[in-house]
Amino acid sequence: AQKITQTQPGMFVQEKEAVTLDCTYDTSDQSYGLFWYKQPSSGEMIFLIYQGSYDEQNATEGRYSLNFQKARKSANLVISASQLGDSAMYFCAMSYYGNNRLAFGKGNQVVVIP
Amino acid sequence: DAGVTQSPTHLIKTRGQQVTLRCSPISGHKSVSWYQQVLGQGPQFIFQYYEKEERGRGNFPDRFSARQFPNYSSELNVNALLLGDSALYLCASSLDVSTNTEAFFGQGTRLTVV
Repeated sequence: AQKITQTQPGMFVQEKEAVTLDCTYDTSDQSYGLFWYKQPSSGEMIFLIYQGSYDEQNATEGRYSLNFQKARKSANLVISASQLGDSAMYFCAMSYYGNNRLAFGKGNQVVVIP
Repeated sequence: DAGVTQSPTHLIKTRGQQVTLRCSPISGHKSVSWYQQVLGQGPQFIFQYYEKEERGRGNFPDRFSARQFPNYSSELNVNALLLGDSALYLCASSLDVSTNTEAFFGQGTRLTVV
């Protein structure tokens, strides 16, 4: 079974600093995708970044980058230059069974303070 | 273009009742997936539909059912509601169901069972 692990407790981050959110996964599939989503208090899941299992370079999307270490089954999200609007829950997810159904971790709470 | 729209946004039901949740995908998207997010947890996959056919089902009881219509909108039905069904129900749409295809989420329907 696919499993996503996010174990960090809630985090307080100073505005303009970088923050790293940890994610490890477990799968026997060779082809899979790794996603990070942001969920503000409004509830909507907002896509941030995607990394394919065969991608050799780490994905980047603006202030978001994904540190992908395939051998360690790790896909950490780095948010650079944190902004107050980054305060939210962050979920790591993996697509599996050869399609884009997602298995999610439990999430990381991030609070950005001025 | 409108994003994924879900209705209703909030709902209160009594144990034993039945509920129908609705989802309209982004125009051009042919896949709809449903997720249940219990408070404090990540979303759990319930169903996936593509081109009106069921493509996957998560580990949920038969009280949960869904369908996709010719216009690609979808309904999720839950019968004989239990207190434990209280959750945020998220709908996600995507162009197709490939592993690397991004899923766009709606704002969710918050169901409370009393």
